Amino acid sequence: GAVVSQHPSWVICKSGTSVKIECRSLDFQATTMFWYRQFPKQSLMLMATSNEGSKATYEQGVEKDKFLINHASLTLSTLTVTSAHPEDSSFYICSAVTFEPTDTQYFGPGTRLTVL
Amino acid sequence: KNEVEQSPQNLTAQEGEFITINCSYSVGISALHWLQQHPGGGIVSLFMLSSGKKKHGRLIATINIQEKHSSLHITASHPRDSAVYICAVKGWGGGADGLTFGKGTHLIIQP
Repeated sequence: GAVVSQHPSWVICKSGTSVKIECRSLDFQATTMFWYRQFPKQSLMLMATSNEGSKATYEQGVEKDKFLINHASLTLSTLTVTSAHPEDSSFYICSAVTFEPTDTQYFGPGTRLTVL
Repeated sequence: KNEVEQSPQNLTAQEGEFITINCSYSVGISALHWLQQHPGGGIVSLFMLSSGKKKHGRLIATINIQEKHSSLHITASHPRDSAVYICAVKGWGGGADGLTFGKGTHLIIQP
């Protein structure tokens, strides 16, 4: 089946620093990727829709200047958490969409971010 | 906004038991996903349904569009089935849509 990778799988950073998370579709091209966030004991929440070659669409309540998304190619989307704070500590998961043969989302393994 | 409810929230069963996890949603959808999340966090897509029933190995998923309800069944459950099972729905927006997730059902299968 289709594979989506994320890097890094975990990261610990100091408050105020920026962290970049990569999401790659390894064996298919994805014009659309999604970024989700999951706090402990909570369900996943959609943060933003990343479209190749255009600006990302952010869900209500998600700060676009804090969570920078770049979808520069059909196989790579990046999420940069700028000026991270402890409340940004969470599990970040991406998914990539393929329409061949049908509309299907494949999930990455996730990135656990801890901000000290 | 679609409200996705799962039940039960937690389920502990003995190896070999037949397991049922339920999912209901409030607004009509184009598709429903059943996902499995292991303790490390990684998510595996089990099924995507828009109608009827699908079977894969010991897993069966059904959906009733009129009743806005889906069930995931596990036959002959095994300890390796222990995980969080998440129901997620996709709306009718044009193009690709992000999913709306339930809170998950934490399943523990004891040997």
